[in-house]
Amino acid sequence: EAGVAQSPRYKIIEKRQSVAFWCNPISGHATLYWYQQILGQGPKLLIQFQNNGVVDDSQLPKDRFSAERLKGVDSTLKIQPAKLEDSAVYLCASSLVIRDRANEQYFGPGTRLTVT
Amino acid sequence: TQLLEQSPQFLSIQEGENLTVYCNSSSVFSSLQWYRQEPGEGPVLLVTVVTGGEVKKLKRLTFQFGDARKDSSLHITAAQPGDTGLYLCAGVRAGGTSYGKLTFGQGTILTVHP
Repeated sequence: EAGVAQSPRYKIIEKRQSVAFWCNPISGHATLYWYQQILGQGPKLLIQFQNNGVVDDSQLPKDRFSAERLKGVDSTLKIQPAKLEDSAVYLCASSLVIRDRANEQYFGPGTRLTVT
Repeated sequence: TQLLEQSPQFLSIQEGENLTVYCNSSSVFSSLQWYRQEPGEGPVLLVTVVTGGEVKKLKRLTFQFGDARKDSSLHITAAQPGDTGLYLCAGVRAGGTSYGKLTFGQGTILTVHP
C-alpha cells in the first residue's frame, strides 16, 4: 500500500514570496490533515478536510494561508506571502476516521520550508 | 499553554538504561496515541489507548493510560540506539464532535548512546 506522498521535500524562499505544497493521501482515506511542525515542537493542526469539505481550520492563518482539496483526493496548501516565522516542516496526514473515535493517522515525510 | 504537557523534553541516556516519558493534561481524552518521529520523516503511530487504566506492551515499550484518561506514560526497558527519536503523545479530546482531531504534545527528544 502506497503511503502519503508530499512534494516538494524541501523549499527555500525569500520572505514575501509565495509557495505551494502538494499532498496525495492514501487511497480511500476520506480525511486529510495539514500540520505545521516548528523545530523541536509537536505538530500543530492547520486544517482538516473530510472528503472535500473543511472540518476544522480554526488554527489556519487565513490572511496568508489557504488550502483546498478538490475532488476529495489530492490537496494543496499555499502560503502567500511567506514570513520568516513560517519556516517549519509542513506535514500532511490522512486517515479513515470514525467520528469521535480513535483513528490512526498516516503521515507523509513532510516539506521542510525555509524562509530567508 | 500546551493542552498536553510532555516531560522531559530532552533525554540522553546510555544503551541498556530504562526510561519513562510522561504526557499530562487537565483535560479528559477519549483516546491517546503515541507516535515516534525520526529526522526527515513524518510521525509513525506506535499505539492507541482508549480505556482508563489500560496498559499496552510493544516489545520493550510499555504504554499506560491514566485511570482518569488525563495522562499517559511510555516506559522503555533496556533502551537501544535504534530507539533514538522524537516521541509524541497526541489525544482526541472527550466530548463534543471532534472528527478525530488530534492535539499533540511538544514531544520528547530521546538520544540513546551506544
